[in-house]
Amino acid sequence: GAVVSQHPSWVICKSGTSVKIECRSLDFQATTMFWYRQFPKQSLMLMATSNEGSKATYEQGVEKDKFLINHASLTLSTLTVTSAHPEDSSFYICSATELAGVKETQYFGPGTRLLVL
Amino acid sequence: QKEVEQDPGPLSVPEGAIVSLNCTYSNSAFQYFMWYRQYSRKGPELLMYTYSSGNKEDGRFTAQVDKSSKYISLFIRDSQPSDSATYLCAMSGAAGNKLTFGGGTRVLVKP
Repeated sequence: GAVVSQHPSWVICKSGTSVKIECRSLDFQATTMFWYRQFPKQSLMLMATSNEGSKATYEQGVEKDKFLINHASLTLSTLTVTSAHPEDSSFYICSATELAGVKETQYFGPGTRLLVL
Repeated sequence: QKEVEQDPGPLSVPEGAIVSLNCTYSNSAFQYFMWYRQYSRKGPELLMYTYSSGNKEDGRFTAQVDKSSKYISLFIRDSQPSDSATYLCAMSGAAGNKLTFGGGTRVLVKP
């Protein structure tokens, strides 16, 4: 199957700093990437949908000025958590869709664990 | 009421048993159905992908979709301790659209 990578895998930062997380599709081009957040023992919560070359679409309740998303190429999307606070500590996961004929499948990255002190 | 309902478990079974998982949903527009496996502190891994109603088998895994009942299932035969994980069902109305997830079922396969 298709491979999606994320970097870094984990990060610890001080409150008030910004953190950038990269999501890459390694062996396919992804026109659409999704960013999720997952709290312990909970399911994935979609934050935003990112299309290459256009502005991201944010889900209700997600602050677009706090979670900046850039999808500069067909293989790279970045999520920047600006002025991070302890309540932003979570597991952030991206996914990318691969188009194979008429079938589009979402493949997930390994996730990035963020801890804000 | 959530769009997709999934029993959180945990579902504990002895090694070698059949694991039976299911989800119900309310949105009749869903046509694409997926099952993901997620190990602790890892990203979800796609197990099965099904379009519309019917059955699909891949190795020890069988996925079933009954759109008339708005009910999907995943069966794992000959379960192994390595199958212990959280299983998430997901669905969408069109290819490439955002997924709607169930809450996940935690499965424990005991040796």
